[in-house]
Amino acid sequence: QKEVEQDPGPLSVPEGAIVSLNCTYSNSAFQYFMWYRQYSRKGPELLMYTYSSGNKEDGRFTAQVDKSSKYISLFIRDSQPSDSATYLCAITRNSGYALNFGKGTSLLVTP
Amino acid sequence: DAGITQSPRHKVTETGTPVTLRCHQTENHRYMYWYRQDPGHGLRLIHYSYGVKDTDKGEVSDGYSVSRSKTEDFLLTLESATSSQTSVYFCAISGGAGGNEQFFGPGTRLTVL
Repeated sequence: QKEVEQDPGPLSVPEGAIVSLNCTYSNSAFQYFMWYRQYSRKGPELLMYTYSSGNKEDGRFTAQVDKSSKYISLFIRDSQPSDSATYLCAITRNSGYALNFGKGTSLLVTP
Repeated sequence: DAGITQSPRHKVTETGTPVTLRCHQTENHRYMYWYRQDPGHGLRLIHYSYGVKDTDKGEVSDGYSVSRSKTEDFLLTLESATSSQTSVYFCAISGGAGGNEQFFGPGTRLTVL
């Protein structure tokens, strides 16, 4: 079993919709959770970084971590066409460790 | 791109030739990483460095070597390029004031014919 599982989509939503992106992981040693956004032919861009269980909000983005279920989510409110990208979840044990990535979910927000 | 540059940005080479990719950072971060990204596999770690001259292997290290002689530079060498090494290569850094966040460079698109 891969350490991080992520539904690849594609996911297509109308502008203004709430988007929910999810990942599950298998190893409770993972302590740090990140979401990256990657536009076509660009490098991954860090969106959200969380450590503890619970919610973290930044503008239209909310990251949610449930360590008991080994489940992480990213919510995008009032989605915009500019949010169309691939979203990657990533988890790690500690600083200096490599990230374990999900395969990414492709999101398309249509006007 | 958090003060990370990669060179070259695109390269086409032939099977059997050596290739070196360069990652340069201006952030003075301790850790540097090389990943490759392939359809169906996502991002996978090739090698990483936890300090000058300190490196270790990642998940897909066969056929690759690395060197780090200065904090700011991390080189990835394909000793004898093969078609299976056609990929997009990303450098990342971490270990700054933020701690665990990793920041990625713009990538190098490598094609091995």
